[in-house]
Amino acid sequence: GENVEQHPSTLSVQEGDSAVIKCTYSDSASNYFPWYKQELGKGPQLIIDIRSNVGEKKDQRIAVTLNKTAKHFSLHITETQPEDSAVYFCAASTNFGNEKLTFGTGTRLTIIP
Amino acid sequence: EAQVTQNPRYLITVTGKKLTVTCSQNMNHEYMSWYRQDPGLGLRQIYYSMNVEVTDKGDVPEGYKVSRKEKRNFPLILESPSPNQTSLYFCASSLSGRQETQYFGPGTRLLVL
Repeated sequence: GENVEQHPSTLSVQEGDSAVIKCTYSDSASNYFPWYKQELGKGPQLIIDIRSNVGEKKDQRIAVTLNKTAKHFSLHITETQPEDSAVYFCAASTNFGNEKLTFGTGTRLTIIP
Repeated sequence: EAQVTQNPRYLITVTGKKLTVTCSQNMNHEYMSWYRQDPGLGLRQIYYSMNVEVTDKGDVPEGYKVSRKEKRNFPLILESPSPNQTSLYFCASSLSGRQETQYFGPGTRLLVL
């Protein structure tokens, strides 16, 4: 089955700097890659996703890049703000076979004021 | 308000005492799933359901049961809880599958003594 590895597990950046979180996946048939943000005491919430027919997607300060050949994708947050502090999860799935969605182990991002 | 609700939010129980965690969504979603979140292991899918009376195993189904008798409800049943099931549990739903936005509930923190 699919295996998703996520790095780093913790990340601290100065406010205003950029943060990058990386994930690798094992199943070359995976074609959907969402990113979720989990604030303290809450359930995860989708912030951005990308499908395998594009290499990059942006939404204001957030961007995701996908390298299908290397089987990895990354989340980029620019001009970080204190409210970006949270746990971030990547995930991957295929569009055939079982209906599972496999998540990474999470990255705790701390923005230092 | 569109939402996923879970009850109870916190539960302390003893080994072997059957319990049920309820999950309900008011968005007419077809796809529902259960995850457990553990430190260092991220979110792991326990079971998912594509529609009423259609359920399937995720990555960590051992020790759990589910049922989907109504579209809006997807209870998680632990028939004989053990300490290794101490975890934070999330229910999630989406319109029709794993490659769409997953809407997560607020979580249920379970402690099995």
